[in-house]
Amino acid sequence: EENLVESGGGLVQPGRSLRLSCAASGFIFDNYGMHWVRQAPGKGLEWVSSISWNSDDLNYADSVKGRFTISRDNAKNSLYLQMNSLRVEDTALYYCVKLRNVGGPFDSWGRGTLVTVSS
Amino acid sequence: SYVLTQPPSVSVAPGETARITCGGNNIGSKSVHWYQQKPVQAPVLVIYYDNDRPSVIPERFSGSNSGNTATLTISRVEAGDEADYYCQVWDRSLDQAFFGGGTKLTVL
Repeated sequence: EENLVESGGGLVQPGRSLRLSCAASGFIFDNYGMHWVRQAPGKGLEWVSSISWNSDDLNYADSVKGRFTISRDNAKNSLYLQMNSLRVEDTALYYCVKLRNVGGPFDSWGRGTLVTVSS
Repeated sequence: SYVLTQPPSVSVAPGETARITCGGNNIGSKSVHWYQQKPVQAPVLVIYYDNDRPSVIPERFSGSNSGNTATLTISRVEAGDEADYYCQVWDRSLDQAFFGGGTKLTVL
């Protein structure tokens, strides 16, 4: 069974940094592109970032470009999201998501880790 | 950015058919995926590539996509179908994914 477990969320002040992690199991991690999707409290889903299986292709939403960095360690079956210069509007539940194939659907989701940016 | 427009809410009685639309500029040229999200749960894929269905999803769920509108259709709606539904596409020119704003399905 595919399993994605996020960690690293918490309360952080505006302007500070946080690093999220996602541990993957139940599938061949380095065969798949991975994504981060977030959901602000009571709001809809917002795509954040993606990384190809070999880390060659990185993409970001305009709202986080220049502040967030996605990375992965295939040896550790892990995905990361380094978030710098955090803003109040970055407050959300961050989901680690597996992409079925390029251009395809998000077919496996973690339960999310909550990031709260507040002074 | 690529904007996907969904109605905020749709209400249907049990046993009826629910149709949830997702509007976007020439969305018919893109592949549309649909997700169901129940309260305090992660989203679940219900339709992919416009009208393909994961094996665990009931046949009552189907999709279509043409022109500027994609549609998720749920036949013989049940109380357990009550949830938020999101459409999603990947924009190749921007190399970004986009979600619709979500539609809350209420079963009366």
